[in-house]
Parts: sequence; structure tokens; C-alpha cells
Amino acid sequence: QVQLQESGPGLVKPSQTLSLTCTVSGGSISSGGYYWSWIRQRPGKGLEWIGYIYYTGSTYSNPSLKSRVTMSVDTSKDQFSLKLGSVTAADTAVYYCARRTSGDSDVFDYWGQGTLVTVSS
Amino acid sequence: DIQMTQSPSSLSASVGDRVAITCRASQSISSFLNWYQFKPGKAPKLLIYAASNLQGGVPSRFSGSGSGTDFTLTISRLQPEDFATYYCQQSYSTVLTFGGGTKVEIK
Repeated sequence: QVQLQESGPGLVKPSQTLSLTCTVSGGSISSGGYYWSWIRQRPGKGLEWIGYIYYTGSTYSNPSLKSRVTMSVDTSKDQFSLKLGSVTAADTAVYYCARRTSGDSDVFDYWGQGTLVTVSS
Repeated sequence: DIQMTQSPSSLSASVGDRVAITCRASQSISSFLNWYQFKPGKAPKLLIYAASNLQGGVPSRFSGSGSGTDFTLTISRLQPEDFATYYCQQSYSTVLTFGGGTKVEIK
């Protein structure tokens, strides 16, 4: 059973960089065929897809956030990470990591429980 | 971006009720539509993929239908564990988008 767990600071100051890591267990990031993804839910708003990284390091981000998003992967630790720069209060959200499949069924089939990140001074 | 509109945004129902949630896309997305269940403090769960396919392990009381722009998630007989928030998501375009969610509450 694949499991994902987000970790990182719950409080970030405005203008700083939000950094989160997702640890994958029960499966290997290097196995291929999956896109390791980040999704967030801001208070009172819907879900917003942030982007994904493949185990090779190739990435794709939502154009609305692309200029501030950096993603990386550490296959030796089965972890992938998100950095979101120049944060403001509007970036306060529950951040989820998820596994996206490729192929016939394009879905997020496993998710982390989510972690709340608050941007405040 | 493709906009996904869900209705209703919330509903109250009783155990045993039949519940239907709709999702409308701003353009045709063929059958590239998935449904998820969210509960507080738990990992979200994939219910339905490609509009009408039940994910493994999901009870058969959940079903999905539709294609093009209009889709429906139906719960045939609501169970206590089904009280949650449900989201649709399109995987047609490279920028993935979700609906605004439907919260199913106990009447």
C-alpha cells in the first residue's frame, strides 16, 4: 500500500519561501509511470493543482504559479519537494502531495493527508 | 483553463438516501473526469475515474456517469461513512482543474 506524507514548517513569513517535502513509502519513486504532484486548498476555495515532478527530475507547473515554484526529487530517499517563493497570505493553504498515474487512467490515486501552511508575520 | 462547476455546493441527506452530485465543464472534456472523497484529517480518496469507472475497493453504491461537459456522481444508498466533501477533477488539459466541491452533510 503506497503512502505519502507531507512535512515542513507550518508557519512561513511573508516574502519568504515555503518548503515542503513528501515522503513516499510502500513504493519507489524511481519505478516510473507516475508523476509526483502537489495540490493545495486555500481557505474557502477549491483545490488548485500546483505541479508535478517525474523521477527523472522533469517538471511541469501550473502557469499561474510557475514563476514561484521549484520542485525537486530525491530518489535515494523516495522523497520529492516543493518550494514556493515570495509567499503572501494568499498562499496560506492545506498542501497535499499526491501520486498521479500516467496512461489510460490519468488520476491522483494516492494522496497524503495534507499539511496546513500559514503565511503570517 | 477549463472551469469545473459543481452543484450543489452542499446538501443534507439521511442514511439510505440516494444522492446525486453534478459537475459541469466549461468545454468538452470527453470522459476525462475523476471524482474524489475528502474527509478532514484523512488522505483524500479516488472514487471514480474516467467518468464511470469504479476505483478498486470503492463500494458499488458509488457510480459515475456522463461525458462531454456534464457529469454526475451518484451514491445509491448513503451510508454514515459517506458524509464528506466530494470533488470532481478534469484530466483533459495539461492544466488540471477541480470543481469547487460538494459537502454532503447529515440531515
